[in-house]
Amino acid sequence: QQKVQQSPESLIVPEGGMASLNCTFSDRNSQYFWWYRQHSGEGPKALMSIFSNGDKKEGRFTAHLNKASLYVSLHIKDSQPSDSALYFCAGNVGDNSKLIWGLGTSLVVNP
Amino acid sequence: ETAVFQTPNYHVTQVGNEVSFNCKQTLGHDTMYWYKQDSKKLLKIMFSYNNKQLIVNETVPRRFSPQSSDKAHLNLRIKSVEPEDSAVYLCASSRDWGVREQYFGPGTRLTVL
Repeated sequence: QQKVQQSPESLIVPEGGMASLNCTFSDRNSQYFWWYRQHSGEGPKALMSIFSNGDKKEGRFTAHLNKASLYVSLHIKDSQPSDSALYFCAGNVGDNSKLIWGLGTSLVVNP
Repeated sequence: ETAVFQTPNYHVTQVGNEVSFNCKQTLGHDTMYWYKQDSKKLLKIMFSYNNKQLIVNETVPRRFSPQSSDKAHLNLRIKSVEPEDSAVYLCASSRDWGVREQYFGPGTRLTVL
C-alpha cells in the first residue's frame, strides 16, 4: 500500500524566515503531487500542485519534485504568522482524483 | 458564495445512536468526497461519488453509508455510532474524477460519549 512520509513533524520558524517541508512516497507509480494547507478549525486548502520534475514557484512558495527519488518538498520564503498551519503533501493514485495523504507538518511562525 | 458547506459544525452523541451529516457544494462540481480526519490529523478517504455514482468505497464499517440526491449534495449517515467514530468528517468536491484540486468544507466534529 502506498505510503507518504512527511518531515519534520513540526517546525518553528521566525517571521521572515524560510520554512522547508519534506515528503517522500513509497510508490514509484505516483505522478501527481499536491501541497495542501489546513488552518485550525478549517478544511484543507490546496496550496500548490507539481506534476513535473524540478521547481515550481508561486509567490513565496516553491515546490520541488524529484520523481526518481520519490521526493517532494515545499519551501516557504519570508514566512508570515498567517502561514502557521498544518501542511499536507498528497499524491494521486493513478490518473484520478483519489489522493493518498501524509500525516502533515505543523508549522508555527513566530512574530 | 461558491463553496463547500457542511452541517452541523459539531455533534455530540451517545454510543449506539444514529447521526447524519450534510454536505452541499455550490461550485458546480461533478465529484464529491467524504474524509475522516482522526485525532492525529490523518486524512482518510471514505467515499467518493462522481455524478451521483459511487466510485470509491474504502474499507469502512458497514454502519457508515453515503447518500447522494444530486451532484451538489452528499450526505453521510452513521448507524449505531461507536467511540472510535469520534473524529472530524470532511466533505470535499472536485471538478471531475480526473487529477483535480479538491475543495474542502469546514468539517463536522463528532464526539461519541
